[in-house]
Amino acid sequence: NAGVMQNPRHLVRRRGQEARLRCSPMKGHSHVYWYRQLPEEGLKFMVYLQKENIIDESGMPKERFSAEFPKEGPSILRIQQVVRGDSAAYFCASSELAGKHYNEQFFGPGTRLTVL
Amino acid sequence: GDSVTQMEGPVTLSEEAFLTINCTYTATGYPSLFWYVQYPGEGLQLLLKATKADDKGSNKGFEATYRKETTSFHLEKGSVQVSDSAVYFCALSPSISTGNQFYFGTGTSLTVIP
Repeated sequence: NAGVMQNPRHLVRRRGQEARLRCSPMKGHSHVYWYRQLPEEGLKFMVYLQKENIIDESGMPKERFSAEFPKEGPSILRIQQVVRGDSAAYFCASSELAGKHYNEQFFGPGTRLTVL
Repeated sequence: GDSVTQMEGPVTLSEEAFLTINCTYTATGYPSLFWYVQYPGEGLQLLLKATKADDKGSNKGFEATYRKETTSFHLEKGSVQVSDSAVYFCALSPSISTGNQFYFGTGTSLTVIP
């Protein structure tokens, strides 16, 4: 029973390039969340998606960042024209809500993005 | 809005010492509460959880009790080991089960020395 998968685990980009981070939720989970962890800080919510829908993107920067969760395939967090301040660990989590009154999220191992 | 306030670190303890990491929360309704642990270079792992007032979550010798009267969910362990060295995050899931975000504390780094 595979957990949440993220790839790549480490990603190095130069300023101005694009970064694509992928997340495959746990089997049976249809809810995906992206969080960012800056060095020496806690996790900050970015976006919550269900299949083909963005439910809450209140934590997402208005420019350069986008996310999708297509009907088929993994969820993608895309960062265009990366800057050094984008260097962080990006974590994906998934959950399954049906029949549960609490929302337990299962986290992937994260993608560590370094912008040179 | 909902939020979590967590004891700042870093915390350094000797092996077999008693551990307490304080966590208090602000929320409407009846949230669920969680402790996650992050080992160096890894993602977050669920350590324990409590879904209603007075529930006690426990795992691997760690415990935390959901106290509604003091809005707290302090993490405790009677005797820490070197392998417990990690960053610990307190988290809250709002009471409406519609897939809302988690609210995380800033994390407390624990180092256990032999």
